[in-house]
Amino acid sequence: DSGVTQTPKHLITATGQRVTLRCSPRSGDLSVYWYQQSLDQGLQFLIQYYNGEERAKGNILERFSAQQFPDLHSELNLSSLELGDSALYFCASSVVWGQAINSNQPQHFGDGTRLSIL
Amino acid sequence: GQNIDQPTEMTATEGAIVQINCTYQTSGFNGLFWYQQHAGEAPTFLSYNVLDGLEEKGRFSSFLSRSKGYSYLLLKELQMKDSASYLCAVRGDSGAGSYQLTFGKGTKLSVIP
Repeated sequence: DSGVTQTPKHLITATGQRVTLRCSPRSGDLSVYWYQQSLDQGLQFLIQYYNGEERAKGNILERFSAQQFPDLHSELNLSSLELGDSALYFCASSVVWGQAINSNQPQHFGDGTRLSIL
Repeated sequence: GQNIDQPTEMTATEGAIVQINCTYQTSGFNGLFWYQQHAGEAPTFLSYNVLDGLEEKGRFSSFLSRSKGYSYLLLKELQMKDSASYLCAVRGDSGAGSYQLTFGKGTKLSVIP
């Protein structure tokens, strides 16, 4: 158990709909990261938050947005869903937000949310 | 930008040793991580290298050569439960002083009896 909690585990919805994925980081971790993993792609970094503020953006579509709340949990909002959005969405957390040089603190991953678009 | 290459699939025999290679091109290298991921599950952290050389942790070891942009993960005394995907991830400067992990597509290891 990594200590990172993601809900729901599975989500089935239709094209054009909007969903919200939720993540609670490990106790004490201030950084939250969102990743997308589809069958033919590796883990693709979407976005990072640190202590409530957006720190970095990766390959995140404009239809997607995220936020981190004062209690440090984070939500990833996906809207106008398309068939190609079907994937595993992982949340990860870490102690530091990435500027700590040579930090050996890894990112710890939640069990993911499997999103299926019909 | 970042680019990471690792073999797509490998097969090895139970009890044997296997080496999974990873080559990378990155700007602002700041560490390399290996993760293990069983199908449909979360990636779990295995090892971290930031300096050249070998890091050993039980049956798993990881090696880094920064000048060659090369790393490998060595798994000894293979067990059936080691059948999984192994992800190489490089932390590099993604701009504005932000260091992010870029993952390779993973190497699917099958351990056979």
